[in-house]
Amino acid sequence: GQNIDQPTEMTATEGAIVQINCTYQTSGFNGLFWYQQHAGEAPTFLSYNVLDGLEEKGRFSSFLSRSKGYSYLLLKELQMKDSASYLCAVRNTGFQKLVFGTGTRLLVSP
Amino acid sequence: DGGITQSPKYLFRKEGQNVTLSCEQNLNHDAMYWYRQDPGQGLRLIYYSQIVNDFQKGDIAEGYSVSREKKESFPLTVTSAQKNPTAFYLCASATVTEAFFGQGTRLTVV
Repeated sequence: GQNIDQPTEMTATEGAIVQINCTYQTSGFNGLFWYQQHAGEAPTFLSYNVLDGLEEKGRFSSFLSRSKGYSYLLLKELQMKDSASYLCAVRNTGFQKLVFGTGTRLLVSP
Repeated sequence: DGGITQSPKYLFRKEGQNVTLSCEQNLNHDAMYWYRQDPGQGLRLIYYSQIVNDFQKGDIAEGYSVSREKKESFPLTVTSAQKNPTAFYLCASATVTEAFFGQGTRLTVV
């Protein structure tokens, strides 16, 4: 099966940098996805990692270490609108099952 | 205008009735997924499909059924056997490197 862990809540200050961690255990890894979800809305796709290393997209970066079963999402120059839940999802090989962690609620304060 | 369409956005049903939620995509994605989200919780996988006429049970398939007769469409039926059907239902479609969600359907059973 798949097991995905994320911290439940984090707080940060506007303009700062925050790192949201995700650890996973899965049989047959085939990619890790990060999403942002504002309250009451559908998740929005942020990034995809399948090889080790850092992927950068503007203020958001995502890192993957397959040997450690570890990923993080890095948010720079935090803005109030970044207050949301951030979801980590892992896909396995074979039937391509895509399973989500419980998400990390990020609160950005002035 | 490409994307994933879920309809309706809000749905009310009486207890004991089956209800079918629509999910259509014009992104030419092979993979499609159904998730359920309860208030303050993460996404739980109900069913998923990689190709037409084939689908797999997710982690909480009891009380639900799906079909995949066309690549573009992956409807979900919530049957009367589902004990707690009131929830936010999300459909996603995916390629190798990205996975997008529809706007979701909020189902309330009274």
